[in-house]
Amino acid sequence: GESVGLHLPTLSVQEGDNSIINCAYSNSASDYFIWYKQESGKGPQFIIDIRSNMDKRQGQRVTVLLNKTVKHLSLQIAATQPGDSAVYFCAETPGVGKSTFGDGTTLTVKP
Amino acid sequence: KAGVTQTPRYLIKTRGQQVTLSCSPISGHRSVSWYQQTPGQGLQFLFEYFSETQRNKGNFPGRFSGRQFSNSRSEMNVSTLELGDSALYLCASSLVSDPWDSIGYTFGSGTRLTVV
Repeated sequence: GESVGLHLPTLSVQEGDNSIINCAYSNSASDYFIWYKQESGKGPQFIIDIRSNMDKRQGQRVTVLLNKTVKHLSLQIAATQPGDSAVYFCAETPGVGKSTFGDGTTLTVKP
Repeated sequence: KAGVTQTPRYLIKTRGQQVTLSCSPISGHRSVSWYQQTPGQGLQFLFEYFSETQRNKGNFPGRFSGRQFSNSRSEMNVSTLELGDSALYLCASSLVSDPWDSIGYTFGSGTRLTVV
């Protein structure tokens, strides 16, 4: 079946450093991927998305890279700030309204 | 503008009871999806509604059901509650009608259901 996984459950970085969060997916037919950020007591918040016809997409301080050959997705956060501390999920969206989420990586930013 | 509103925020129910959760999407959003989030299983897709029709359904038993009203508000119902149904239930809404549009889903803060 479908599964989306993250390589590491936790990641700790120093404030100001760059963070890289990884995700592996298994459905080679996946066409659309989303990264979400979830803070304690809140629902997931959309960060950035990417389609399978792209290798890279940039947002404000965030970049998503997609390697379809090895079915790997990564989220890069530049100049990580304390406010970036949260759980990050990658999600594969094979159909409208339906997303398959990975297990999440907890990012802790140390001051 | 107002975000996705889920009510109630917290709920405690007894095993065997039923429960109804409510979701009000962002104004103008017609797609509403429901997810169950637990520490063990993570975020699991329940179902998605668009224009009062269920378009997608996850792998949950028939005890889990939902519906969407003409104003796009949605409810989900869980009957014969089990201890394992304790979870955070999240609702997300979007403008999207075409699967290949950019899907910017906005989540609510969820309803925390505890079954005792």
